[in-house]
Amino acid sequence: RKEVEQDPGPFNVPEGATVAFNCTYSNSASQSFFWYRQDCRKEPKLLMSVYSSGNEDGRFTAQLNRASQYISLLIRDSKLSDSATYLCVVNQGGKLIFGQGTELSVKP
Amino acid sequence: EAGVAQSPRYKIIEKRQSVAFWCNPISGHATLYWYQQILGQGPKLLIQFQNNGVVDDSQLPKDRFSAERLKGVDSTLKIQPAKLEDSAVYLCASSTSNYGYTFGSGTRLTVV
Repeated sequence: RKEVEQDPGPFNVPEGATVAFNCTYSNSASQSFFWYRQDCRKEPKLLMSVYSSGNEDGRFTAQLNRASQYISLLIRDSKLSDSATYLCVVNQGGKLIFGQGTELSVKP
Repeated sequence: EAGVAQSPRYKIIEKRQSVAFWCNPISGHATLYWYQQILGQGPKLLIQFQNNGVVDDSQLPKDRFSAERLKGVDSTLKIQPAKLEDSAVYLCASSTSNYGYTFGSGTRLTVV
C-alpha cells in the first residue's frame, strides 16, 4: 500500500465548477499535512496546510480527518488558472511524503 | 529572499555515464532534501541532510547515487553510472522547520 494515495486523474471541469480532491495516508503517526500545487514543468509550491478543524483560503477549503486518515481539498468556482497538478503531502518525522498527484484541467 | 538555486536546469547523458547536480539552499536553512520526480508521479525523497549530517537516506540507491553537503550549505547529488530509469526531475528543497519547505526549480535529467 502506498503511503499517500490520491484520486487518479485527470479531472476535466468547466469554469465555475466545484471540484474535490481526496487523499488517504497510511501512517497514523504522521504529524502535519499539506496540499501542494505543481504547474507543468515547475516545482511544487505550497498551496495550504491542512488542519483537523478545517481551513479555508478564498475558494479553497482543506479538511483533515485523523481517525479516517483522510485529507480533502475543495475548490469552488474554479478558474482556468487553477489548472495544475495537486499533490497531497504528509509530514513524517520532518520529511515530506508526496502522493502521486491529481491533475486538474479547467476548461472555458 | 533568494530561493533555492539548482544547476544545471537540463542534462542529457548516455547510460553508464556520470552526472552531478548542485543545490544551494536558502541562507540559514539547516535542512536540505533531494527528491526524485519521475514523470507522472509525485516527488520521492532520496536523502535528507541536517546541516552536514545525513538524517535519512533510506531510499537512496547507494550503489549508484551519492550525495554530500560538506560545509552544511550547498550540496551535490551524483549518479554513477546512470541508467535509463534515472530519467527524472531532481528537486532540491530546504527548510528551517517542519512547515517552511521551499523547492528549487529542479534539474531535468534525460538518460538515453
